Amino acid sequence: DAGITQSPRHKVTETGTPVTLRCHQTENHRYMYWYRQDPGHGLRLIHYSYGVKDTDKGEVSDGYSVSRSKTEDFLLTLESATSSQTSVYFCAIAGEVETQYFGPGTRLLVL
Amino acid sequence: GENVEQHPSTLSVQEGDSAVIKCTYSDSASNYFPWYKQELGKRPQLIIDIRSNVGEKKDQRIAVTLNKTAKHFSLHITETQPEDSAVYFCAASINQAGTALIFGKGTTLSVSS
Repeated sequence: DAGITQSPRHKVTETGTPVTLRCHQTENHRYMYWYRQDPGHGLRLIHYSYGVKDTDKGEVSDGYSVSRSKTEDFLLTLESATSSQTSVYFCAIAGEVETQYFGPGTRLLVL
Repeated sequence: GENVEQHPSTLSVQEGDSAVIKCTYSDSASNYFPWYKQELGKRPQLIIDIRSNVGEKKDQRIAVTLNKTAKHFSLHITETQPEDSAVYFCAASINQAGTALIFGKGTTLSVSS
C-alpha cells in the first residue's frame, strides 16, 4: 500500500461537535482527495486538493471544509457534525499520473 | 457535472465463468476510467484503468473496454475464482487533468465454487 495513513481510524462523536480527520502521506504526491462511502451510494468525492492551499469542491461538499498547509497533510473538518455524516471516510492520493491510492479509512459515528 | 451509472448492482457467477460489469458516463471530456476492487472492510484497490486514447486493455484475467462514442466502458473478468468475490467500482475523471473521479455505485460480485 502507498504511504497513506488516516487518523483517527474510528471515532464516535455527538451531533453538533466539530470533528477533524487527518490524512497523511509520505509519497510527496501533489493530489489528495476525501471521499465518503455509504451503502447504496458507493464512493462520493467531498473535496480535493491539487497543491498546497489549492482545494476544490466535490459532489457532496456541504457541511465539510478542508485545509492543506503542507504537501503531506490534508485535513477534513466537519464544523458541526450531524447524524447524516455518519460514514466511512477515505483519503486518496495521486501523483502526476492519475492513479489514485486509498488510505485505510476512518469510521465515523455521529450520535 | 459528470454522472456514472454502473450495472448490475449484484452479480452471481459460478467459478470458471466470465463476469461483465458495465458503466456509462455523461461527460464527453472525461478521459480516464479506473476500476477498483474492494473486499469487505478493506480499502478500494486499483485493478485496471484505461485512458480515452485506448479502446481495450488486458491484464491476465481482467480486461477493460472503452467506447467513447457511446460513453460506456466495461470490466471483463474471465475464469472467475472465489477470491474475485468483492465489490467492484468504476469511475470517470471529472476534469481534463484527470485528477478527480466520480464513482459508480458499485457491483457486488459473488463467485461460488
